[in-house]
Amino acid sequence: DAGVIQSPRHEVTEMGQEVTLRCKLISGHNSLFWYRQTMMRGLELLIYFNNNVPIDDSGMPEDRFSAKMPNASFSTLKIQPSEPRDSAVYFCASSSRGAGNQPQHFGDGTRLSIL
Amino acid sequence: GESVGLHLPTLSVQEGDNSIINCAYSNSASDYFIWYKQESGKGPQFIIDIRSNMDKRQGQRVTVLLNKTVKHLSLQIAATQPGDSAVYFCAEKGTGFQKLVFGTGTRLLVSP
Repeated sequence: DAGVIQSPRHEVTEMGQEVTLRCKLISGHNSLFWYRQTMMRGLELLIYFNNNVPIDDSGMPEDRFSAKMPNASFSTLKIQPSEPRDSAVYFCASSSRGAGNQPQHFGDGTRLSIL
Repeated sequence: GESVGLHLPTLSVQEGDNSIINCAYSNSASDYFIWYKQESGKGPQFIIDIRSNMDKRQGQRVTVLLNKTVKHLSLQIAATQPGDSAVYFCAEKGTGFQKLVFGTGTRLLVSP
């Protein structure tokens, strides 16, 4: 079965540019989570969606960050304008909402470098 | 893909030994716990989970123990192999929420 698919795997761009990260959920999953991972801060939740609706975006660093789910199987995380401090590995994860708690399944991330 | 603090605890073991990775969680109301394994350049991979109404759960070569009295979680890996070398994270989830709170991670190094 296909897991969570993220693209691109690596992105290098200059500060000020717009960056768009993409994520395809596992088929049948309806919860989507965006995380950021850095050496100093570890794994941080940025935002999560249930059934395409943003539930908690309290982890989004600032207005430069935005996330959308245009349909049930796809999400984007956009940074505009990007800054060097945004450099990190960005993961998305999905889970189902079956009976009881369900684990989140992660993609392999996008390594973002802002020069 | 590794992204752990500069002072990441490290556990070094020999191939074939049993490994025990410990985790202290913070929220006494947490009702669900997960262990993840993260290899270099990859995302966290689900290993095993446990609900708060249990104190032990076994998988293939792994066992998770939950002690709610002292808010402690452990992951036991039997007959550790070089392929088990990775960073291991515990995560907890509070009742009624979907957010996972991740620990800082433990690096496991397995020598042949």
